[in-house]
Amino acid sequence: ETGVTQSPTHLIKTRGQQVTLRCSSQSGHNTVSWYQQALGQGPQFIFQYYREEENGRGNFPPRFSGLQFPNYSSELNVNALELDDSALYLCASSDSGLTTDTQYFGPGTRLTVL
Amino acid sequence: GEDVEQSLFLSVREGDSSVINCTYTDSSSTYLYWYKQEPGAGLQLLTYIFSNMDMKQDQRLTVLLNKKDKHLSLRIADTQTGDSAIYFCAVPNNAGNMLTFGGGTRLMVKP
Repeated sequence: ETGVTQSPTHLIKTRGQQVTLRCSSQSGHNTVSWYQQALGQGPQFIFQYYREEENGRGNFPPRFSGLQFPNYSSELNVNALELDDSALYLCASSDSGLTTDTQYFGPGTRLTVL
Repeated sequence: GEDVEQSLFLSVREGDSSVINCTYTDSSSTYLYWYKQEPGAGLQLLTYIFSNMDMKQDQRLTVLLNKKDKHLSLRIADTQTGDSAIYFCAVPNNAGNMLTFGGGTRLMVKP
């Protein structure tokens, strides 16, 4: 059984650019959630995808968008990058068919915006 | 929305017990979670407790839940230097699709 993987590990962008982050869910999981973790803070929920549809969204602007593919992998896209977007972006997968719906996290992508 | 609070920092000596506390505002959550984060890493699920339980023990870890006071705690017995990390409690919303995290408690274990 493979765990949650994310790519790339690190990324440096400049203000105004666009970025795409990728996530492969744990084997057997059909749901992917994305979180932003700023330095020294707890993770903040961005959105969740279930069966290729958005299934809940946190307090993030529309320039944060996502996709889920038929194999349940997912992308997070951020347009018009701002300095405050610098953070660790965490992807979590879960199986919505289970009672616990526990989320398992990947290692994260560290995004730096200059 | 949900609000989850944790103390920022805890320092203990190796071999002692550690107790990390968490308070939350929404009492409708079915499960409550504890995650561990080591420097530069993602979140590792440590344990969770069902909301109709008062206590759950898993090897060195004991989770206590006081639903009346909306208080969750994580006790680590015989704390080791490898337990040094940031610990987060996390509470799901009613739909179960979003976790709200506390700010994290940094545990430092001194030899």
